[in-house]
Amino acid sequence: EADIYQTPRYLVIGTGKKITLECSQTMGHDKMYWYQQDPGMELHLIHYSYGVNSTEKGDLSSESTVSRIRTEHFPLTLESARPSHTSQYLCASSDASSYNSPLHFGNGTRLTVT
Amino acid sequence: AQTVTQSQPEMSVQEAETVTLSCTYDTSESDYYLFWYKQPPSRQMILVIRQEAYKQQNATENRFSVNFQKAAKSFSLKISDSQLGDAAMYFCAYRSAMYGGSQGNLIFGKGTKLSVKP
Repeated sequence: EADIYQTPRYLVIGTGKKITLECSQTMGHDKMYWYQQDPGMELHLIHYSYGVNSTEKGDLSSESTVSRIRTEHFPLTLESARPSHTSQYLCASSDASSYNSPLHFGNGTRLTVT
Repeated sequence: AQTVTQSQPEMSVQEAETVTLSCTYDTSESDYYLFWYKQPPSRQMILVIRQEAYKQQNATENRFSVNFQKAAKSFSLKISDSQLGDAAMYFCAYRSAMYGGSQGNLIFGKGTKLSVKP
């Protein structure tokens, strides 16, 4: 019963293409995140947002960009995809009013760049 | 900077048995939160259990419980009566209670892959 939705679930695309990974949540959460995760590996934070018009870079450097024009929407864009971008991308959100509040994750987008 | 270490890349348990997953963390802070997340294969990551550092009592959620040792900076997860559906990657995570900035973001361990044998 996911309240946070990611599309597409799987994406195979050629080098040099521009792509946008979509993420939407219906919980009214202010904080949203993008994580990059290689198969069976740890999560690396690449972007986060405290709210509308707020975006910050995470711990792992990424060539992707994000935007937060609406509370519920936090898309991630790669202007020119490369094979090194092949990975799983997880979107998450949390209630900013409490540090005890957990992250809610989407199902992820598995990206393959050929 | 805080770090989270999960020293067991893989674990295996027999169905109906008990298994304990280890997690240690390093921090100079006294107030923080700890979490265990479960990521089944090709499925959504979900919260299993959470612990506030200021609480001495160990958190429990049905078959899942933690052993929180603040002085030792240890936060292990115990799964009792293991079920086939418990097979997943388990991630331990730390969050600072400091107000504002990136300190509020979760720091994840590398994960432990749990297999459950029928």
